[in-house]
Amino acid sequence: DAKTTQPPSMDCAEGRAANLPCNHSTISGNEYVYWYRQIHSQGPQYIIHGLKNNETNEMASLIITEDRKSSTLILPHATLRDTAVYYCIVRVHISGTGTASKLTFGTGTRLQVTL
Amino acid sequence: NAGVTQTPKFRVLKTGQSMTLLCAQDMNHEYMYWYRQDPGMGLRLIHYSVGEGTTAKGEVPDGYNVSRLKKQNFLLGLESAAPSQTSVYFCASKSGTDTQYFGPGTRLTVL
Repeated sequence: DAKTTQPPSMDCAEGRAANLPCNHSTISGNEYVYWYRQIHSQGPQYIIHGLKNNETNEMASLIITEDRKSSTLILPHATLRDTAVYYCIVRVHISGTGTASKLTFGTGTRLQVTL
Repeated sequence: NAGVTQTPKFRVLKTGQSMTLLCAQDMNHEYMYWYRQDPGMGLRLIHYSVGEGTTAKGEVPDGYNVSRLKKQNFLLGLESAAPSQTSVYFCASKSGTDTQYFGPGTRLTVL
């Protein structure tokens, strides 16, 4: 399974953009990059995903390099409520199961947003 | 919609006791998953199900059994609990190529 590497922690001032990097150099051509976050031991919350194009939604933007070996999650205006552990995940299809897939979580990046 | 719910929220067991964790989803999702999360670590997949009546092993299946008798429910059983199974358990579900939606978790302590 493709592995991801993230910095263990980052700080960001409230109101500034938070840029969270992720390395996934062994990703295969049809594997998606997903980002989830986990706030204080709650269930993980979906943020965004992409294959090769940059993506944006109401929560964040996802920038994927052309070679797909790394990506960056951007929270454009971080708030205190964005303090969480952010997981970058490569979604792997489970062969022989139709559309079933699995998410392999690493240890993530702990983002601390400060005043 | 309630989404994904888990019962119970907390439980304390003694070594050797058994229990069943219930996951329920009201989104008519085909796929359901059970994960565990230990302190400072990401989630690890225990078992999953691609449809009613089917189950399969994930990364860390030993010591657990599962059943998916109804599409909306996915049960995780511990036949003889061990301290190493102290963890937070998360259930998730999804449909097709959609994203996985997670429940709030069950915090289990085995003494």
